[in-house]
Amino acid sequence: DVKVTQSSRYLVKRTGEKVFLECVQDMDHENMFWYRQDPGLGLRLIYFSYDVKMKEKGDIPEGYSVSREKKERFSLILESASTNQTSMYLCASSPINPGTTQYFGPGTRLLVL
Amino acid sequence: EDKVVQSPLSLVVHEGDTVTLNCSYEVTNFRSLLWYKQEKKAPTFLFMLTSSGIEKKSGRLSSILDKKELFSILNITATQTGDSAVYLCAVSASGSRLTFGEGTQLTVNP
Repeated sequence: DVKVTQSSRYLVKRTGEKVFLECVQDMDHENMFWYRQDPGLGLRLIYFSYDVKMKEKGDIPEGYSVSREKKERFSLILESASTNQTSMYLCASSPINPGTTQYFGPGTRLLVL
Repeated sequence: EDKVVQSPLSLVVHEGDTVTLNCSYEVTNFRSLLWYKQEKKAPTFLFMLTSSGIEKKSGRLSSILDKKELFSILNITATQTGDSAVYLCAVSASGSRLTFGEGTQLTVNP
């Protein structure tokens, strides 16, 4: 079974703090993704990566950065957290073939005070 | 810009009812349409559809794609309280990205 894990299930941070969200997958997938999920807005893509050290902006990259130093690990960084970044963050991975399903981690619920 | 629209946004039914969830899309270079179920955690994969008119079925859940009219439906027969979840529709177009709809919140009451 594909396993995608995220470092925290719940996180509380203060405005202005630097926040790291970690995601690890164990299926040797080339692609990894970070989404945020908000009521009424569905899943929105923040960034994705199709290879080590490669990254591409998604639909809402502002205020976020990412890092992929190893194939199995994809990190999302909030350089200076703001209250409007309070959300559920979901990581996903998929094989290189276009059109295949993505496998999701359990999510991190982030609250920025 | 790729777009996926789901309807209804929420639905409340009684156990035993049959429900139909809708997903329409506007994308360039369509590759596949996927359905996911999300309870209070990660979305889990249900179906992937690539060809028109072919029904995918798993137990009480089934789905069909109409590539001409650009929509898909997800049917759930004899609903159970365990079917309560958000059902997400996503479309794969160019590359490996998925574009998601807002989701349909299904509540099945005993």
